[in-house]
Amino acid sequence: NAGVTQTPKFQVLKTGQSMTLQCAQDMNHEYMSWYRQDPGMGLRLIHYSVGAGITDQGEVPNGYNVSRSTTEDFPLRLLSAAPSQTSVYFCASSYSSTGELFFGEGSRLTVL
Amino acid sequence: KQEVTQIPAALSVPEGENLVLNCSFTDSAIYNLQWFRQDPGKGLTSLLLIQSSQREQTSGRLNASLDKSSGRSTLYIAASQPGDSATYLCAASGNQFYFGTGTSLTVIP
Repeated sequence: NAGVTQTPKFQVLKTGQSMTLQCAQDMNHEYMSWYRQDPGMGLRLIHYSVGAGITDQGEVPNGYNVSRSTTEDFPLRLLSAAPSQTSVYFCASSYSSTGELFFGEGSRLTVL
Repeated sequence: KQEVTQIPAALSVPEGENLVLNCSFTDSAIYNLQWFRQDPGKGLTSLLLIQSSQREQTSGRLNASLDKSSGRSTLYIAASQPGDSATYLCAASGNQFYFGTGTSLTVIP
C-alpha cells in the first residue's frame, strides 16, 4: 500500500504559468481533498470530492480547479499561477468525509 | 463555522517529562477528533482518532481524550523522548475537517 502519493514534491513556476499537482490513493477512499498550508494560517481546504464525478469548493478555491474522473485520482490545477499561491499543498483522503484522514507528503510550490 | 484552537503554539520540555497538548473547538456537533504529527518538511501522520461516541483512545505512550460538551480534546504524551519533537495538530470532523494551527513540541535531551 502506497497510501496517498503526490507529485511533484517541488515545483517553481513563473507568474501566469499553469500546472497540475497530481494526487493518487490506493485505499479505495471515496473522500479526497486538497489543502494548502501557510505559516501561521494552518491548513486551509481548497477543494474536495466525495466520490468520482463529484467535487465541491472549500475555503480558498479561487485560482484552482479540480476534477475527479476516477476514485483513485484527484488532480489540482493552477490556472494562472500567482505569487500568493506559493505554499505547501497537501492531498488527503478518507473512506468518508467523517472518517480517518490520511495525508500525502506534500508538494512545495514557489511562484516567482 | 467550526473554529479549532491549539494552545500553546510552542512547548519545550526536558526528556522524560509527561505532557499534555490541548485542542479546543467551538461546535460540539463533530463526528470525530483526530490528532496528527507533522515533522518539518513532511506530511501529516495520523496518531489517534476518537469517534464522537468515545471518550478516549490510546496508542503506546499516547492517550487522547475527548469531551464534546466542553469542546475540548487533550493529547497526553508519557515519558517524552527527543524523537517526539514535532508539530502536533488536531482536526475536528463535521461536514469538513477543521484544523488547529498546531503546537510545536521540542523535547530537550
